Amino acid sequence: EAQVTQNPRYLITVTGKKLTVTCSQNMNHEYMSWYRQDPGLGLRQIYYSMNVEVTDKGDVPEGYKVSRKEKRNFPLILESPSPNQTSLYFCASSPASVNGYTFGSGTRLTVV
Amino acid sequence: KQEVTQIPAALSVPEGENLVLNCSFTDSAIYNLQWFRQDPGKGLTSLLLIQSSQREQTSGRLNASLDKSSGRSTLYIAASQPGDSATYLCAVVGTASGYALNFGKGTSLLVTP
Repeated sequence: EAQVTQNPRYLITVTGKKLTVTCSQNMNHEYMSWYRQDPGLGLRQIYYSMNVEVTDKGDVPEGYKVSRKEKRNFPLILESPSPNQTSLYFCASSPASVNGYTFGSGTRLTVV
Repeated sequence: KQEVTQIPAALSVPEGENLVLNCSFTDSAIYNLQWFRQDPGKGLTSLLLIQSSQREQTSGRLNASLDKSSGRSTLYIAASQPGDSATYLCAVVGTASGYALNFGKGTSLLVTP
């Protein structure tokens, strides 16, 4: 089944403890991106990648890192999480064309 | 910067009604527009994708239209059902956005039996 898989689904962590949210897609898509969703603010892009080793900042990149060493994987790294990064995170992928995006099921992160 | 607006923010209708959700965007230079459905606390399910060269797309009881020149799209839901209750999100991919999706804040739909 064609899908975008995020792990974990739920995560509670403490301020300053490094964490990684994984994202993997099995559709050979070139484009991958990360979004966060917050009440009243909607979905905002954090980082995106147009292909292996090509990444760029979205609208809200502060406090996040990404890497794209393989086409299928696009992990989101929070090196020193803070409470304002408590949010619902989504990974998405798309072919390098005018096709639409497929989203993962989301990761609910709580930083205390 | 592309701004996407969805009206209304919330809508409550009785079962069986036909309804229209609206989406507007400020920059008509887009690759495509995508409508999503989101159930509370869940992921995004793609409903319809309209390319910039298309005027509409249909899937079952759903029909989405696109008027790129005026920066508008509508999602028409026929014969609504309680199972249609969810938040509906509109998103556009602009030609100058690095292929990023720019989302509206959604319309929260409640269909009552």
